[in-house]
Amino acid sequence: QVQLQESGPGLVKPSGTLSLTCAVSGGSITTSSWWSWVRQAPGKGLEWIGEISHSGSTNYNPSLKSRVTISVDKSKNQFSLRLNSVTVADTAVYYCATVAANSWTPWGQGTLVTVSP
Amino acid sequence: QIVVTQEPSLTVSPGGTVTLTCASSTGAVTSGHYPNWFQQKPGQAPRTLIYSISKKHSWTPARFSGSLLGGKAALTLSGVQPEDEAEYYCLLYYGGVQLWVFGGGTKLTVL
Repeated sequence: QVQLQESGPGLVKPSGTLSLTCAVSGGSITTSSWWSWVRQAPGKGLEWIGEISHSGSTNYNPSLKSRVTISVDKSKNQFSLRLNSVTVADTAVYYCATVAANSWTPWGQGTLVTVSP
Repeated sequence: QIVVTQEPSLTVSPGGTVTLTCASSTGAVTSGHYPNWFQQKPGQAPRTLIYSISKKHSWTPARFSGSLLGGKAALTLSGVQPEDEAEYYCLLYYGGVQLWVFGGGTKLTVL
C-alpha cells in the first residue's frame, strides 16, 4: 500500500525558494499514476498546485505556473516541489498526493511551511 | 478563470439526510470532470470519500453516496452521524486545459 511523506524546511524567507520532497513508500513512483501537490493556507480551502506523471509530464495551476517546478527522482522514489519568489501569501500546509484511476489516494500528512523574515 | 462552487455551510440533524453540491462555472458537471469528494477534519489531511462521481473506497461509509444532480456533482449523506461534522471539498478535472480545481468547501455542522 502506497504511503506518502512530505519533508522540507518549515520556514522560508520572503523572496526565497520553497523546496519540498514527497517520499513514496510501498510502491514505485514509476507506476502509471500522477503525483500531485496541494496546499492549504491557514483557515482557507484547498488549492491544487500541480502534478507530474510517471513519465515526467507536468501540469500546473495557471496562477502559480510561473513560479512552480515539480520534478521526479526515480532513483530515490520521490517527487519534489519548488516554488520561487515566495511571499507571506505562500504560507500554508503543503500536501502531496497520488492520483490513480482518477482517485486522489493516498495523501501525505502535510507539512506546514511559513514564509517569514 | 474556472470557479467551482460549493455551499459554504450546511446544518443537518443527527440521523437526517443532506446533499452537498459542486457546480462548475464552465457549465454542467459531467463524468469527464471525474468528481472527487473529500472529508477534512481539523488538523487532518483530506480523506477521499468518493471518486469518479460515485465510486467508493473501502473505507467510505455506506451512508455516503455520490451522483450527478441537475448539472452538478452531489454528495449525499443519509443517516448522518455526529462524526460526519467536517469540511467537505469537491474536486473537478478540466481535461481541455489539464488542470484540477477544488471547490471552496462546505462546512457541515451536525446539530
